Amino acid sequence: ELKVEQNPLFLSMQEGKNYTIYCNYSTTSDRLYWYRQDPGKSLESLFVLLSNGAVKQEGRLMASLDTKARLSTLHITAAVHDLSATYFCAVDRFHGNEKLTFGTGTRLTIIP
Amino acid sequence: EAQVTQNPRYLITVTGKKLTVTCSQNMNHEYMSWYRQDPGLGLRQIYYSMNVEVTDKGDVPEGYKVSRKEKRNFPLILESPSPNQTSLYFCASWDRGHYGYTFGSGTRLTVV
Repeated sequence: ELKVEQNPLFLSMQEGKNYTIYCNYSTTSDRLYWYRQDPGKSLESLFVLLSNGAVKQEGRLMASLDTKARLSTLHITAAVHDLSATYFCAVDRFHGNEKLTFGTGTRLTIIP
Repeated sequence: EAQVTQNPRYLITVTGKKLTVTCSQNMNHEYMSWYRQDPGLGLRQIYYSMNVEVTDKGDVPEGYKVSRKEKRNFPLILESPSPNQTSLYFCASWDRGHYGYTFGSGTRLTVV
């Protein structure tokens, strides 16, 4: 059974600092996703990572994928308050049920 | 605008009173799915559909039904809701030609 673990679960950081969220998954997957969710809102797609070594960047966020280690990271550079949200990683596998398996999420709070 | 539309956004109901949450997508996606989100558990798949008239159980299907009579619609039916079905529900759609899932805006259900 595919399992996805994120850490940390909670992260409080000051504006201007850098930090990394980690996402480990237990078995081979086809794609890895990062989503952002604001309180009471839907999930916003941030990145889709398809292959080993993939790196994508958007603004202060950068995601990478190491399929051999079954690890993805979401790096935050020079955090700003607007990045406060819950971040989820998710993986899927194409074996009939193309299900997204989610991590439990990382609640990120940026302190001015 | 490409989107997944869920209704209602908020619903409070009583135990045992049948209800339906509607989901409609305008992207001609073959694949649709329902997830529930609970604190500390991330999102878990309830049911999914690979195409019209093709549905199957996800990880937490007990107490739910679905139907897929048309490609664009995938309603979630709770025949006899119970308080443990109080949750935030998301509908999602996806197609093999795209690299991401589109989520609806969510339905917050409270069963008292």
